[in-house]
Amino acid sequence: DVKVTQSSRYLVKRTGEKVFLECVQDMDHENMFWYRQDPGLGLRLIYFSYDVKMKEKGDIPEGYSVSREKKERFSLILESASTNQTSMYLCASSLPLTGYEQYFGPGTRLTVT
Amino acid sequence: QKEVEQDPGPLSVPEGAIVSLNCTYSNSAFQYFMWYRQYSRKGPELLMYTYSSGNKEDGRFTAQVDKSSKYISLFIRDSQPSDSATYLCAMSHILTGGGNKLTFGTGTQLKVEL
Repeated sequence: DVKVTQSSRYLVKRTGEKVFLECVQDMDHENMFWYRQDPGLGLRLIYFSYDVKMKEKGDIPEGYSVSREKKERFSLILESASTNQTSMYLCASSLPLTGYEQYFGPGTRLTVT
Repeated sequence: QKEVEQDPGPLSVPEGAIVSLNCTYSNSAFQYFMWYRQYSRKGPELLMYTYSSGNKEDGRFTAQVDKSSKYISLFIRDSQPSDSATYLCAMSHILTGGGNKLTFGTGTQLKVEL
């Protein structure tokens, strides 16, 4: 079974803090993704990565950066957290040829106060 | 206008009912059409996917795609309380570097009551 794990289920941070969200997958997938999920807005793509050291902006990259130093790990960084970044963050991974099937982690509920 | 439109519900049906969930889209470049299911406090998981227009059946679930109308549907027969979840439609096109970029609907919350 593919497993995608995220470092925290719940996180509370203060405005202005630097926040790291970690994601690890165990199926040797090349592609990894970070989404945020908000009521009424659905899942929106923040960043994705084709492979190690590679990254591409998604639809809403402002205020975020990513790091992929190893194939199995994809990190999302909030450089200076703001209250409008309070959200559910979901990590996903997939193979290039079957990219319609993304495997999601359980999510991190981030609250910025 | 959003690329993918989905009625958020909530939708409440009695056990055994036939459920119809729908999405419309505007981007003709979409090639794959998916339905993901998301249980409370979990990540979404792929339920079904189709590549072209037509129907695809898997047990109690049928996915339908009409590319000419830019309309996709998911039908659930003999609905069960365990089907209570949020259903997300998703569509994809191929990225230049490989893989697929998925665009999701906002999700329809379904509750199947005993």
